[in-house]
Amino acid sequence: NAGVTQTPKFRVLKTGQSMTLLCAQDMNHEYMYWYRQDPGMGLRLIHYSVGEGTTAKGEVPDGYNVSRLKKQNFLLGLESAAPSQTSVYFCASSPPQGIVVANVLTFGAGSRLTVL
Amino acid sequence: DAKTTQPPSMDCAEGRAANLPCNHSTISGNEYVYWYRQIHSQGPQYIIHGLKNNETNEMASLIITEDRKSSTLILPHATLRDTAVYYCIVRKSGGSNYKLTFGKGTLLTVNP
Repeated sequence: NAGVTQTPKFRVLKTGQSMTLLCAQDMNHEYMYWYRQDPGMGLRLIHYSVGEGTTAKGEVPDGYNVSRLKKQNFLLGLESAAPSQTSVYFCASSPPQGIVVANVLTFGAGSRLTVL
Repeated sequence: DAKTTQPPSMDCAEGRAANLPCNHSTISGNEYVYWYRQIHSQGPQYIIHGLKNNETNEMASLIITEDRKSSTLILPHATLRDTAVYYCIVRKSGGSNYKLTFGKGTLLTVNP
């Protein structure tokens, strides 16, 4: 049981390049999330999804796009990377809202992105 | 969600109990207390949650005061691997706000 898997783990981009971070979960969770973590800023929610085919904006969505074509996968895209997007990105998943364990998130190991 | 207050850092000797406090004086009746931790460079990890009764699992114990305005996470026998940032989060079950807010947490350093 792998839980939440993020690929790639590390990536270096040049300003203006595009890339996609992949998150895959094998727990049949309904909800999936993308967070970013910067020094001194804590974890901030970028986008989230409450089910296959649905996505919604979080706290800091600008510059990112997401897709949830399959229940088990949640993709985070950077169309034109900027140095301000240098960060560690965490994907997470959870059971549906409406139950107590909806707030029990399982996180991936993180993807460290550097934009030069 | 109710605001939480945690000390920025704590030390603990290896093998001793680590008691991490959290103040949530504005907690409402349907809000749960959740604890997560984040070991350096890793993703946050769920530890435990509770409503009003004390809870225990294989990782830790959660003690919630009778008035529910504060709680304590107890790691009974801390090891070096328990060095991490510990987050106390108050959230209600259900609702339409999907954002789980992680504050600055408490950096617990377990010393040999």
